[in-house]
Amino acid sequence: GESVGLHLPTLSVQEGDNSIINCAYSNSASDYFIWYKQESGKGPQFIIDIRSNMDKRQGQRVTVLLNKTVKHLSLQIAATQPGDSAVYFCAENRAGSSNTGKLIFGQGTTLQVKP
Amino acid sequence: DTGVSQDPRHKITKRGQNVTFRCDPISEHNRLYWYRQTLGQGPEFLTYFQNEAQLEKSRLLSDRFSAERPKGSFSTLEIQRTEQGDSAMYLCASSLGSVREQYFGPGTRLTVT
Repeated sequence: GESVGLHLPTLSVQEGDNSIINCAYSNSASDYFIWYKQESGKGPQFIIDIRSNMDKRQGQRVTVLLNKTVKHLSLQIAATQPGDSAVYFCAENRAGSSNTGKLIFGQGTTLQVKP
Repeated sequence: DTGVSQDPRHKITKRGQNVTFRCDPISEHNRLYWYRQTLGQGPEFLTYFQNEAQLEKSRLLSDRFSAERPKGSFSTLEIQRTEQGDSAMYLCASSLGSVREQYFGPGTRLTVT
């Protein structure tokens, strides 16, 4: 079946520390894995994605790691700031001939940044 | 503001009533998506348009739900004979080309009493 989930519902970190948010998935057919950030009262916001044939991708202050052997995805945020406080979702998408627009989201991890 | 807009932001209705939500995507975005999100959960895909064509519908979209995008610009989502289980945040998103990078609106929160 289709399942994307996160290990921890809440992660609390000190401002300036690095954050690591984890996600486990079950569907090996996914072509892309994506991280979204959702602040209170707002819709989700795209952060970064990674194609299934990659292991690592870096963005600005964020790094996504993909371990297909154990079906595990992580988002690393460097030097966490108060503005990073939000709910983080991993999602997956299967591209290909079906041209699906469907993103399958996990349940989310709440990141709390302590000043 | 050139982001995705949704109207209304909040809707309270009685069970059995019909409701309609509107989504205005980012100008020139050809893809438009509807999701439903309940408290503490990730968004659940409902349906997807490319221009005016509805290309995909989730099994969650029962026959009480209908979505349209008549001119390939704004979209409407109608729920007929609302039930308490329909209470949720309804999110709209749009994208240009990429399915992965979707731009979400602030959502319409529906409460069915």
